[in-house]
Amino acid sequence: AQRVTQPEKLLSVFKGAPVELKCNYSYSGSPELFWYVQYSRQRLQLLLRHISRESIKGFTADLNKGETSFHLKKPFAQEEDSAMYYCALSGGSNYKLTFGKGTLLTVNP
Amino acid sequence: SQTIHQWPATLVQPVGSPLSLECTVEGTSNPNLYWYRQAAGRGLQLLFYSVGIGQISSEVPQNLSASRPQDRQFILSSKKLLLSDSGFYLCAWSVGLTSGGFTDTQYFGPGTRLTVL
Repeated sequence: AQRVTQPEKLLSVFKGAPVELKCNYSYSGSPELFWYVQYSRQRLQLLLRHISRESIKGFTADLNKGETSFHLKKPFAQEEDSAMYYCALSGGSNYKLTFGKGTLLTVNP
Repeated sequence: SQTIHQWPATLVQPVGSPLSLECTVEGTSNPNLYWYRQAAGRGLQLLFYSVGIGQISSEVPQNLSASRPQDRQFILSSKKLLLSDSGFYLCAWSVGLTSGGFTDTQYFGPGTRLTVL
């Protein structure tokens, strides 16, 4: 069975501070991991995926298979980063996503 | 370019009434289609997905059903709504797997806020 755990429902940081949104997963095979983001009054959208190894809007995430984690990090948070962030996992070739419960990030001025 | 539409945007229905939410996709053919429910504190729960016309897979037992009468149309229905059906319903599409065999991005619609009273 696939499971995604985001331990923090809420995360509040100040502008310019580093931010880390935690994501742990449970899957017996080789997973694909994603971060989706939903800004206020906007649609849920893909932020980044582990296979692309890109930095999007200053965010990075590294897949750690040993710790079964895919934490999202940004060295200097901006107010416009305030949003709901969801970690998601796809196992095997079934193209379905299992989402975590989400973390609401608030970046204070 | 591809776009995804959902309607209505909001809906208030009495307990026991029927439900029909519609989702359509433009600009692509034979997409994979998904219905999710987003509830506060519960995250995003996959309800149904479809890989083709008439092909529906249900992820969780519930009071809802889904149909795909046309290639780019996905409908979420209920014969009799329950209070517990209240929530925010999202439709999404993707191509499924990329040419490299990886799970493709899912693109989400604007959602429907359903309140059952």
